[in-house]
Amino acid sequence: NAGVMQNPRHLVRRRGQEARLRCSPMKGHSHVYWYRQLPEEGLKFMVYLQKENIIDESGMPKERFSAEFPKEGPSILRIQQVVRGDSAAYFCASSPTRGQKNEQFFGPGTRLTVL
Amino acid sequence: DAKTTQPTSMDCAEGRAANLPCNHSTISGNEYVYWYRQIHSQGPQYIIHGLKNNETNEMASLIITEDRKSSTLILPHATLRDTAVYYCIVRVAANNNDMRFGAGTRLTVKP
Repeated sequence: NAGVMQNPRHLVRRRGQEARLRCSPMKGHSHVYWYRQLPEEGLKFMVYLQKENIIDESGMPKERFSAEFPKEGPSILRIQQVVRGDSAAYFCASSPTRGQKNEQFFGPGTRLTVL
Repeated sequence: DAKTTQPTSMDCAEGRAANLPCNHSTISGNEYVYWYRQIHSQGPQYIIHGLKNNETNEMASLIITEDRKSSTLILPHATLRDTAVYYCIVRVAANNNDMRFGAGTRLTVKP
């Protein structure tokens, strides 16, 4: 059973370009979460999605950031008109269903560098 | 903000037990204590979680005080590969919304 997959692992963009980060959850998992980690800091929650629905986006910046988890295919975190402050590691996690043992399984992350 | 307090860093000798403390004095009755770790540049890895009873798995043991205001993660025989940042998180298990990561404890296992 493959783990959570993220691609690309490294992404370089110039200011003003768009960044698209992809996350494929573990097989059978219908819940996806995105976190951002700035250098030397802990992970910060961004958004929680189920298939075709955004459940909680309280951690998402109000502008330029969007996320989706379509019925088919991976979850996408999209950052429009990137700025240098968007440089960070972006981690995706997935979990199966609600319940007592619902630990989140994390992917390897995408490291975004904005030049 | 994270609901937990952890020491910034700790050292441990290889082969010895590593005891990582966590204070969560405002924990609610339905909140679990979760531990994750993040080895350099990798995604966080789940270690263990518990509600009020002590828990043990193949990776670690979790000791939760009777009043549940603090807990200790124990790595019984630390190896160099256990060097990582360890995060203690409290959350309601039934809520999948998010986990609040604090700064964690940077554990360095030394030969």
